[in-house]
Amino acid sequence: KQEVTQIPAALSVPEGENLVLNCSFTDSAIYNLQWFRQDPGKGLTSLLLIQSSQREQTSGRLNASLDKSSGRSTLYIAASQPGDSATYLCSGAGSYQLTFGKGTKLSVIP
Amino acid sequence: ETGVTQTPRHLVMGMTNKKSLKCEQHLGHNAMYWYKQSAKKPLELMFVYSLEERVENNSVPSRFSPECPNSSHLFLHLHTLQPEDSALYLCASSQELGQGPYEQYFGPGTRLTVT
Repeated sequence: KQEVTQIPAALSVPEGENLVLNCSFTDSAIYNLQWFRQDPGKGLTSLLLIQSSQREQTSGRLNASLDKSSGRSTLYIAASQPGDSATYLCSGAGSYQLTFGKGTKLSVIP
Repeated sequence: ETGVTQTPRHLVMGMTNKKSLKCEQHLGHNAMYWYKQSAKKPLELMFVYSLEERVENNSVPSRFSPECPNSSHLFLHLHTLQPEDSALYLCASSQELGQGPYEQYFGPGTRLTVT
């Protein structure tokens, strides 16, 4: 059974800092790895999806990497802004089931 | 309306009530999902539908009853719930079901409180 772990559980950084969020998964037989953002009391917004054959994806200030052999993914956020404050979730996809981590709660301090 | 919508956004119900959650996707997708998000727990997949047929029921109690009348609509019928069922219920859709780069798009969720 797939298990997804996200470290740290919470992170507080000053505005402008670059940061890395970590995600690890136990079953390397994933079809893709998806990063989401969730604002308090809201649904999930997809940020990046990395297919199993890819190593990384970039969107603006965000860069996500995938290393299936080690069961790890990272989300890099450059030049963080207060608007980036949210909970970030990663999920590993089986055939159709997404298995989620508990998330990293990010606070960017102005 | 665009994307995935859910109604109601908030619901308070007693343990003897019957209510329904509604999800509608405007993306032309063929697969739809119900997830439960409880405090301090990861999102849990509850049900999966592909072309209106249920393909997954993740050991969900029978007090939760899904219905998918067409590929754009998904319902979750609730009856005789317990306080521990209080959670954020999220609906999602994807273009297809199965292997590959099929991103799941989520609705805003229904915050359910069972009293």
